[in-house]
Amino acid sequence: QSALTQPRSVSGSPGQSVTISCTGTSSDVGGYPYVSWYQQHPRKAPKLMIYEDTKRPSGVPDRFSGSKSGNTASLTISGLQDEDEADYYCCSYAGSYTIALFGGGTKLTVL
Amino acid sequence: QLQLQESGPGLVKPSETLSLTCTVSGGSISSSRYYWGWIRQPPGKGLEWIGTIYYSGSTYYNPSLKSRVSTSVDTSKNQFSLRLSSVTAADTAVYFCARHVGSPWAFDIWGQGTLVTVSS
Repeated sequence: QSALTQPRSVSGSPGQSVTISCTGTSSDVGGYPYVSWYQQHPRKAPKLMIYEDTKRPSGVPDRFSGSKSGNTASLTISGLQDEDEADYYCCSYAGSYTIALFGGGTKLTVL
Repeated sequence: QLQLQESGPGLVKPSETLSLTCTVSGGSISSSRYYWGWIRQPPGKGLEWIGTIYYSGSTYYNPSLKSRVSTSVDTSKNQFSLRLSSVTAADTAVYFCARHVGSPWAFDIWGQGTLVTVSS
């Protein structure tokens, strides 16, 4: 199974909104309500930002939101802040044999 | 709060077996709701799921690594382990352990990661 497809990079100015896409197939992203998103700062462990397509764990700012349409999931960050500059990864459940499939990652630059 | 910590050799020779252990503190590895996963990240590259284990011993592996991977759990020590055989330079990566929440199948708590280099 191939990795999920994410743009290599996105950018935005402080206060703006950016959206990161994550495209898969009907066997993963489109087939289950189990897309999660992770934020990773350099030399740090990833942090869960979104789970079950749209839900935010406790402590994650509501500037972060998730959505999904068909085989494409999206992470939107509104009111960009400097500390949002990081790599972002999507991950999808893909069935009982491949229970986790990551995207290639997207580098967010805050201009 | 729950914490995970990876441990193991930082250098492994080509063709040998990489072995890592993840120690869980602040909670029980035997909780019925949680699974325990391994994820790796080669230098400058993205995340790759390696495998996940349940406290009962049920395992799930990345099909691309399945022939070389095994995982185990020791509930008495609150630890789970990873073994990756026949390693090459391509297996050089930071290896993370993480709690894998069953349905929604998300990794909600991560260890800090440990760098394993494959080199002679």
